[in-house]
Amino acid sequence: NAGVTQTPKFQVLKTGQSMTLQCAQDMNHEYMSWYRQDPGMGLRLIHYSVGAGITDQGEVPNGYNVSRSTTEDFPLRLLSAAPSQTSVYFCASRTGTGGPEAFFGQGTRLTVV
Amino acid sequence: LAKTTQPISMDSYEGQEVNITCSHNNIATNDYITWYQQFPSQGPRFIIQGYKTKVTNEVASLFIPADRKSSTLSLPRVSLSDTAVYYCLVRGGGTSYGKLTFGQGTILTVHP
Repeated sequence: NAGVTQTPKFQVLKTGQSMTLQCAQDMNHEYMSWYRQDPGMGLRLIHYSVGAGITDQGEVPNGYNVSRSTTEDFPLRLLSAAPSQTSVYFCASRTGTGGPEAFFGQGTRLTVV
Repeated sequence: LAKTTQPISMDSYEGQEVNITCSHNNIATNDYITWYQQFPSQGPRFIIQGYKTKVTNEVASLFIPADRKSSTLSLPRVSLSDTAVYYCLVRGGGTSYGKLTFGQGTILTVHP
């Protein structure tokens, strides 16, 4: 039972570099989301998707892009990394029908220097 | 989505019952109240969800009064391993179903 898998677990970037955080789920969930969590803070929604080909912005979308070409994958792209994007990133998925539970990945700890 | 307000922190001792109250004055008719738990360096984990009255599962109980403007998460006989951050969320229906909005959460510390 893989659930929600995020890669990498840790990453250090230089300012201005770009990269993609990967998220994959094997539960056939329609809904997927990306959050960032800064030290001592709650989670803030970056982008979310309600199905393949459909994405929308959350609270803090600037500097990030997403796409959803398959049900399973929801990558998060940092276009030009900035120190303010140093954070822990969590991906989550949940079914569109039935139970209310959202499943979270283990997180990606990103440091931008 | 309705804004939630909960205490920033709480302290308890092993074996006690802990009640964490969350206020959500602007909750809409089709909104559900959901609670998550988060341990350090882990993603949040679903605890319980309710719409009205009382819901109980093997982990916790959720009490929701008739006006639904607040809710109380009850953790029976806590142990040290219940030390975590607890988030109260109001989850909308319809097009907002896919969004979960987290507040600051309540840091629960259980002491021996």
